[in-house]
Amino acid sequence: EVQLLESGGGLVQPGGSLRLSCAASGFTFSNCAMGWVRQAPGKGLEWVSGISASGGSTYYADAVKGRFTISRDNSKNTLYLQMNSLRAEDTAVYYCAKRSIYGDYDYWGQGTLVTVSS
Amino acid sequence: DIQMTQSPSSLSASVGDRVTITCRASQGISSYLAWFQQKPGKAPKSLIYAASSLQSGVPSKFSGSGSGTDFTLTISSLQPEDFATYYCQQYNSYPFTFGGGTKVEIK
Repeated sequence: EVQLLESGGGLVQPGGSLRLSCAASGFTFSNCAMGWVRQAPGKGLEWVSGISASGGSTYYADAVKGRFTISRDNSKNTLYLQMNSLRAEDTAVYYCAKRSIYGDYDYWGQGTLVTVSS
Repeated sequence: DIQMTQSPSSLSASVGDRVTITCRASQGISSYLAWFQQKPGKAPKSLIYAASSLQSGVPSKFSGSGSGTDFTLTISSLQPEDFATYYCQQYNSYPFTFGGGTKVEIK
């Protein structure tokens, strides 16, 4: 059974940093591209970042480019999102998602809440 | 970036109704279009990929169609468990983008 378990969310002050983790199991993690999607309170889904299976290619939404870094450790079956220079508008539930062989996001984690506030 | 426009943003329907949601891409995305269902406080659930392919375990009352720029999600006979918010997403090119969502409510 595919499982994605996010952790690392919490309350952080504006300008601060946080690292999210997503522990994967139930599939061959090193074969799958992955991504992060967020959802601000009461709002829709927003794609944040993506990474290839090897980690050699990374992609970002303009809203986070230069502040967030996606990475992965295939030996630990874990996906990361390092978030720096956090702003109030980064407050959201952050979901990790697995890309299928067809390219879509077929499995999602339960999400972790990040709150940026003083 | 490719913009995804969903309509309507919300709708009221009755149990047993046929419901159709549309999604339009600002440029052609072939069939690289997915549909998700999300219930309050829960993660999105994948329903359809490649515009018209049903995810494993998803009931056949859900169907998708379209290619290029215009897509539809149809629920053939709405049931109580189908009241939720639905999103489309293009994965033709980065940045992947979502539609604004369609909230399906009980009439």
